[in-house]
Amino acid sequence: EAQVTQNPRYLITVTGKKLTVTCSQNMNHEYMSWYRQDPGLGLRQIYYSMNVEVTDKGDVPEGYKVSRKEKRNFPLILESPSPNQTSLYFCASSLAGVTHEQFFGPGTRLTVL
Amino acid sequence: SQKIEQNSEALNIQEGKTATLTCNYTNYSPAYLQWYRQDPGRGPVFLLLIRENEKEKRKERLKVTFDTTLKQSLFHITASQPADSATYLCALDMYTNSGYALNFGKGTSLLVTP
Repeated sequence: EAQVTQNPRYLITVTGKKLTVTCSQNMNHEYMSWYRQDPGLGLRQIYYSMNVEVTDKGDVPEGYKVSRKEKRNFPLILESPSPNQTSLYFCASSLAGVTHEQFFGPGTRLTVL
Repeated sequence: SQKIEQNSEALNIQEGKTATLTCNYTNYSPAYLQWYRQDPGRGPVFLLLIRENEKEKRKERLKVTFDTTLKQSLFHITASQPADSATYLCALDMYTNSGYALNFGKGTSLLVTP
């Protein structure tokens, strides 16, 4: 089944404890991206990747890192999480960028205490 | 700055009626505009994509229009059903220094009552 998977789905952590949210797609998509969604603010793009080893900042990249070493994986790294990073995170992928439909993962609900 | 505006108030309509949702944008020149559906706590699901040179696109009960002069897209659901109740998001491509990013509006919540 064609899908985007994220892990973990739920995470409660403490300030400053490094964490990684994994994202994987099995559709051989070139474009992958990360969004966070907050009440009243909507979906905001954190980082995106046009292809392997090509990444760029979205609207809200501060406090996040990404890497794209393999086509199928696009992990989101929070080196030192803070409470303002408490949010619902979505990974998405598409065949070739924003001119194609985006396939979203199920979301990761992160709480930073 | 670039801005995408969708009706912030929820839209309540009766089953069987046509729902019309609006997406307005400023300081964009998108080549593509997309509409997504999102249910609570779940990821958005793609519905329709329309190109700047297309005025209208249809898919089953859904219809999207794209007016680049007015900088507006309208999203219609005909013969609406309670199962259509969800939040609907529009998204526009934006060119950056290293490629295209996709920006979403905040969405409009639709409630269809029997």
